[in-house]
Amino acid sequence: DGGITQSPKYLFRKEGQNVTLSCEQNLNHDAMYWYRQDPGQGLRLIYYSQIVNDFQKGDIAEGYSVSREKKESFPLTVTSAQKNPTAFYLCASSIQSNQPQHFGDGTRLSIL
Amino acid sequence: QQPVQSPQAVILREGEDAVINCSSSKALYSVHWYRQKHGEAPVFLMILLKGGEQKGHEKISASFNEKKQQSSLYLTASQLSYSGTYFCGTGWGNFNKFYFGSGTKLNVKP
Repeated sequence: DGGITQSPKYLFRKEGQNVTLSCEQNLNHDAMYWYRQDPGQGLRLIYYSQIVNDFQKGDIAEGYSVSREKKESFPLTVTSAQKNPTAFYLCASSIQSNQPQHFGDGTRLSIL
Repeated sequence: QQPVQSPQAVILREGEDAVINCSSSKALYSVHWYRQKHGEAPVFLMILLKGGEQKGHEKISASFNEKKQQSSLYLTASQLSYSGTYFCGTGWGNFNKFYFGSGTKLNVKP
């Protein structure tokens, strides 16, 4: 079955540490997105990619980095520069930009 | 630039109707609607395109008023399963940066 897989489901980060969240899709979608959701809040765009080897910053890209070397994969690295990383991180994909988005199950990141 | 949703929260009894509004200060070319249940990922409900028809999904339908730059989601004869947070969203700019609204929390009680 096609879908989006995020891993891990839960992640703990030590201070000063970089961590990478995985997002893989087998839907053959061109566009992929990363969102951050804080408790009781909406989704805020971190980075998005419309095509392989290209990505754009969202509104809250500081302290995060991404790569899009393969169509199927869009990993997000939370760097030590992100001082408040505790949140629910959601990856999504769509066949093209501004088309219906399919979401993974999310990764919950906490600070140790 | 984020779309504005109203109301922020709604409490209904089973069988009652609700309307959720999404408005924008910028021209809308399309509006997406998603529902997110607690602790889960959002699920796509429908997309409305500029110049397109009103869409429907079971007892959930939506409209898109281009002149007023707003969309409304209609939930009729609500069921317990309709509970969750509803988000509208839209893309703007050359790279279609996507923005979600702040969400409307719907609680359907027996």
